[in-house]
Amino acid sequence: EVQLVESGGAVVQPGGSLRLSCVSSGFTFGDYGMHWVRQAPGKGLEWVSLVSWDGGTTYYADSVKGRFIISRDDSKHSLFLQMNSLRPEDTAFYYCVKSAAFSYAYHFDYWGQGTLVTVSS
Amino acid sequence: DIVMTQSPDSLAVSLGERATINCKSSPSLLYKSNKKYFLAWYQQKPGQSPKLLIYWASTREFGVPDRFSGSGSGTDFTLTISSLQAEDVAVYYCLQYESPPYTFGQGTKLEIK
Repeated sequence: EVQLVESGGAVVQPGGSLRLSCVSSGFTFGDYGMHWVRQAPGKGLEWVSLVSWDGGTTYYADSVKGRFIISRDDSKHSLFLQMNSLRPEDTAFYYCVKSAAFSYAYHFDYWGQGTLVTVSS
Repeated sequence: DIVMTQSPDSLAVSLGERATINCKSSPSLLYKSNKKYFLAWYQQKPGQSPKLLIYWASTREFGVPDRFSGSGSGTDFTLTISSLQAEDVAVYYCLQYESPPYTFGQGTKLEIK
């Protein structure tokens, strides 16, 4: 059974930093691209970032480009999101999401339960 | 960026009746290599994370009840629930995955009439 468990969500002040983690199980982590998708409370879904299966290619939404960094550690079956220069509009549940294949141009097939990031003074 | 427009924003349907949700992309989501479309549908129940229902516009995910079906071509796509059950109350989203930045429709809230 595929499982994705996020952690690291917290309350942080504007301008602060946070690192989210996602530990996976139930599939060969190193064979798949991985995403972060966020959802502001009561709002819709917004794709944030993708890392390819080998970590060699990354993509970002314009809203986070230059502030967030996605990475992966295949030895630990883990995905990360380093979030810097946080803004109130970054407040959201952040989901770790598995791609159906190794890179882009594939749908998302499994989602974690999410971790809440609140940016507020 | 590819824009995804979903309609309606909310929908109330009687139990056992058909529910239809639409999604329009700009531009087309056609993958010429396999003549399929880079379009998926997700269901998000209250307090839960989204769940994959349909991909390549019409391929049902394993384990999804056959009352859920996807159709469409070009820029216009439809998710149909043939006979609404109480457990289908949720928000439904379409997603284009042709290329980053991936974009979702704004969501359709489905309720029981």
